[in-house]
Amino acid sequence: GESVGLHLPTLSVQEGDNSIINCAYSNSASDYFIWYKQESGKGPQFIIDIRSNMDKRQGQRVTVLLNKTVKHLSLQIAATQPGDSAVYFCAEIGGNAGNMLTFGGGTRLMVKP
Amino acid sequence: GAVVSQHPSRVICKSGTSVKIECRSLDFQATTMFWYRQFPKQSLMLMATSNEGSKATYEQGVEKDKFLINHASLTLSTLTVTSAHPEDSSFYICSARDPGAGNQPQHFGDGTRLSIL
Repeated sequence: GESVGLHLPTLSVQEGDNSIINCAYSNSASDYFIWYKQESGKGPQFIIDIRSNMDKRQGQRVTVLLNKTVKHLSLQIAATQPGDSAVYFCAEIGGNAGNMLTFGGGTRLMVKP
Repeated sequence: GAVVSQHPSRVICKSGTSVKIECRSLDFQATTMFWYRQFPKQSLMLMATSNEGSKATYEQGVEKDKFLINHASLTLSTLTVTSAHPEDSSFYICSARDPGAGNQPQHFGDGTRLSIL
């Protein structure tokens, strides 16, 4: 079946550097995408979202880019801090899934002081 | 502060025990709540959609008689893992949709770690 995904890799960055986390999705009917941050032992925390009629959206220190042509989503974190260390998931809504979230595989971000 | 509360946060029990997990929306009414399961180093997998006042909708491969869901009020959904076995050990997370929320489609609880001995 169609899925959003990447398998859990680890991204290690130096404190202060920028981080880029990538996600590929396969459901071309998806029209809403969200990035979540999950710290150990906790539930996912909303970071930023983007609708399919946009290709870029910025928040505080974070930017999400959407490339519908290649079905690719990325999360950019500026000036990465130790508190950013967590697992990051992309998720999508839309198409046949209706209003249900489908999560990608996640990326572990480790920030070195 | 937390808008979805999940209880308990940690359960350790013997095989064969039934375990109930509660999910509460704290400051909004949720007609729909969702239950996910997450194994170590894996993503969240949707188990079922809990609908207030009606039967839950289960995802393919999830046994409805094993994972009983009750959504008796607009602020509470419960998941009961019946006759739990070691393979049911996992991190269970609920979420709730706030109809009045602008951007966020779902608020997540902090999960329940279930360990079956």
